[in-house]
Order: sequence, then structure tokens, then C-alpha cells
Amino acid sequence: ETILTQSPATLSLSPGERATLSCRASQRLTTSLGWYQQKPGQAPRLLIYDASNRATGIPGRFSGGGSGTDFTLTISSLEPEDFAVYYCQERSSFGGGTRVEIK
Amino acid sequence: QAQLVESGGTVVQPERSLRLTCAASQFLFSSFAMHWVRQAPGKGLEWVAGTSYDANTEYYADSVKGRFTITRDNSADTLYLQMNSLRPEDTALYYCARDWLTSGNFDLWGRGTLVTVSS
Repeated sequence: ETILTQSPATLSLSPGERATLSCRASQRLTTSLGWYQQKPGQAPRLLIYDASNRATGIPGRFSGGGSGTDFTLTISSLEPEDFAVYYCQERSSFGGGTRVEIK
Repeated sequence: QAQLVESGGTVVQPERSLRLTCAASQFLFSSFAMHWVRQAPGKGLEWVAGTSYDANTEYYADSVKGRFTITRDNSADTLYLQMNSLRPEDTALYYCARDWLTSGNFDLWGRGTLVTVSS
């Protein structure tokens, strides 16, 4: 089973700043890497699938990249509604999450 | 629009059984693999089980293997999770989720149903 390690655990930023979140896999991934956003009291929402494809309705400020074992989620300019917890996932494995909080 | 609605969560004693239900609507349920994902209070996401679109294949997390069973009824657009021998560590919000294009990523989620295992 693949272990996904996310860093940092918490990211403190201001609106308008760029956020870069990391997800490292314990072995080379051969299937789709996804990124999710979760706000308090809500279900997760798929942002990115197959490492770099935005899901339906996801704003262009969200982008995903990487391959093999190292992946990133970038939010180019943080909006107030982007402060949340973000998870990476590959099939049966989820990362531990990165909380993006207001500085 | 497409929707998933979970039900069946409640407070249950250890070692008892419970069945969760996920009702799908406004999409062709029989074409999609489906999964259960749980989230313990204040914790991260944990994949629990998955089933292929035709129910021919099932997958389980090691933590629930032999205790939980995922099934589906494509004629009723419904997904189930039969949970036996429940443990306190199974306490969580249980989500059902749709597999996007068999990618293994989940594009549609329900709001979840809460299972509390406590004596």
C-alpha cells in the first residue's frame, strides 16, 4: 500500500498570496493522484484528478503538478474561501492533510 | 443534479452490527465504481471499501477486512456497507463517494452518516 505524506501540516498565509502544498508518495504512482478541499462541516470536494486535471467547476487558480513520487497543489492567489484543509489521494490512500489558515 | 445521500448511522454497542445505505440519484449509478470513506472526529480521511460498477470486484482496507462488506443494487441505485463486529475505533462519519472515470479519484460525495460505537 502506498503511503502519502503531505507537507507542511499547516500553512499560514494571507489572502492574495500563493500557496504551494506538497504530497510525497512512498512508491512511484501508476494511478491517478487527486487533490481535495474540505471545509468544516462539509464533505471533501475533488479539485484535481490525475495529478494535473482540474475537476468540473474548479477555478483556474488551482493547479496540480508532479509525477512519480512528488506532487504539488498550487493556489496562485488565495481567496478567502480557500482557507481549508487539503488532502491528496491515490486509490486507497489519503495523505494526512495540509491546513491552509489565515495569517 | 447528481446526488448521494447516506443513511443508517446511529449509536451502536461494540461487537454489534449496522448497515449503512447510500442512495444515488440523477446519474447513471450502474456505470460507476463506488466507495465508502470515513473520517473519525477531528481526524483525516480513511478509505474503507470500494466496489466495481458491476459489483464483480470488491476492495477493503485492512482495518475492516473480514468485518465489513460493500454491496450495491444497481436496479435500486443504492450502495450498502454492512458493518459487523463493530469496534470503538470504527466511530466516524461515513461518506459514500463516486469514482470518477475509474480514475480512483472521487468526484461526488454525500454529506455522510455518523456511526458511534460505544457501550
